Amino acid sequence: QKEVEQNSGPLSVPEGAIASLNCTYSDRGSQSFFWYRQYSGKSPELIMFIYSNGDKEDGRFTAQLNKASQYVSLLIRDSQPSDSATYLCAVVDNNDMRFGAGTRLTVKP
Amino acid sequence: DAGVIQSPRHEVTEMGQEVTLRCKPISGHDYLFWYRQTMMRGLELLIYFNNNVPIDDSGMPEDRFSAKMPNASFSTLKIQPSEPRDSAVYFCASSESGGADTQYFGPGTRLTVL
Repeated sequence: QKEVEQNSGPLSVPEGAIASLNCTYSDRGSQSFFWYRQYSGKSPELIMFIYSNGDKEDGRFTAQLNKASQYVSLLIRDSQPSDSATYLCAVVDNNDMRFGAGTRLTVKP
Repeated sequence: DAGVIQSPRHEVTEMGQEVTLRCKPISGHDYLFWYRQTMMRGLELLIYFNNNVPIDDSGMPEDRFSAKMPNASFSTLKIQPSEPRDSAVYFCASSESGGADTQYFGPGTRLTVL
C-alpha cells in the first residue's frame, strides 16, 4: 500500500515566523510532488510542485525534496494569518496520485 | 473562464436513494477528475477521463459508483443506492495536460446521506 504521511497538526506559528510542513512517502518510484492549500470549506489549490531533489522557491514558499530519504517539505517564510489553512501533500507515481491527510496550519497575529 | 462548475453544491438524501453529481470542466481541458474527501480517508482520486474516455477507475469504491462523460463539457458521478458512508465532499477537477500541475478543482459538492 502506497502511503503519504503528514502530521495532522494543528501547527501553530506566530505571524512573521517560518512555518515548516513535512510529508513522507513510501513509494520510492514516486516522480512528482505537490503541495496544495485548502481553506476551510473550499477546494484544494495548488501552490507548489517539485520534481527534482533540492529546493524550489516561489515567493514566500519553498518546497524541498529529498528522494533518498523520501520526504518533501514546504517552508512558508514570513507567515501571515491568511496562510492559515490545511496543506495537502500529493505524490504521483505513474499517474497514480495520492494525497496525505493534510496538516492544519494556524498563523497567529 | 468560470472555472470548474459543480452542481449541486449541497445534497442531502436518504439511504438507498440515487444521487447524481454533475461537473462542467474548464473549456479546452481534456482531462477530468473526480475526487472524494472525508475526514477519515482524506482526498482520494476516484476516476479520471481523457477526451471523455475513462482512463483509470481503480479508485471507485464499489459498483454502486459510476461515472460518465458523454461530452467534453459535462460529467456525472452517480451513486446508486447511496449509503451513509458515502457522505463526503466530492470534487471535480479538470486539466489541460493531465498533469497535477495544471489541475483546477471545482468548489465541490457536499453530500450527506442520512
